[in-house]
Amino acid sequence: DIVMTQSPDSLAVSLGERATINCKSSQSVLFSSNNKNFLAWYQQKPGQPPKLLFSWASTRESGVPDRFSGSGSGTDFTLTISSLQAEDVAVYYCQQYYSSPTFGQGTRLEI
Amino acid sequence: QVPLVEYGGGVVQPGESLRLSCAASGFSLSSHGMHWVRQALGKGLEWVAFIRYDGDTKYYADSVKGRFTISRDSSKNTLYLQMNSLRPEDTAVYYCAKYGGNSGTFGYLDLWGRGTLVTVSS
Repeated sequence: DIVMTQSPDSLAVSLGERATINCKSSQSVLFSSNNKNFLAWYQQKPGQPPKLLFSWASTRESGVPDRFSGSGSGTDFTLTISSLQAEDVAVYYCQQYYSSPTFGQGTRLEI
Repeated sequence: QVPLVEYGGGVVQPGESLRLSCAASGFSLSSHGMHWVRQALGKGLEWVAFIRYDGDTKYYADSVKGRFTISRDSSKNTLYLQMNSLRPEDTAVYYCAKYGGNSGTFGYLDLWGRGTLVTVSS
C-alpha cells in the first residue's frame, strides 16, 4: 500500500494568515500516461462527513473558495489556504487513488 | 433529498454480523462506483471497500477481506456492506461515498453520506 504522511499533525494559524499543509506519498502517484497526479484533498468539520476540496492534486471542486489551492506532483503535495477564515477550522486529509485508496493521518487546523 | 443516507449501524458483540445500507438518490448506482470508508471515533479515515459501476468488480481492504462483502441492489438504488465476524477494531462510523467519475480504478470520493456508527463490544 502507498503510505500517505501529512505534516504537521496540527496547526494553529491566525485569522487572515496563510495556512500550509503538506502531504507526502511513499511512492509517486503521478500516472505517466496522462501526466495526472492521483491525489485528492478533503475537509472534515466536526460532526460532518469529509468534503472533497481538490482532485488531481490541484483541481478545485465547484463551490470551494479560491483562497484554497492545491499543488505538488509525484510524491510531495501541498494544500494552502491563503487567508484563513473562521469557517476553515477543520481536519484536512489527503488521499491517493493511484492504487488501493489510502489517506493521510489528517491535519487539524485551528485558529 | 439527501443524496446518500446510511443506516443499519448499531451495537453488536464480537463475532456477530451486521448489514449496513446506503440509500442513494439523485443518481443511479448502476452508473457510478461506490465506496465504503470508516472512521474510528477521533481517528482518521480508512478505506474499506469499493464496487465498480458494473456491480461485478469489487475490492476490499486487507483488514476486512474475507469478512466483509460489498454489494448493491440497482432496483432499490441501495448499496450494502455485509459485515461478518465483527471485531472490536471494526468499531467506527461507516460512510458510503460516491466514486468521482473517470478517475482511475478507485478514484476520488466526490459525495459522502453522514455515516452510521457501528460498535463492536462485549
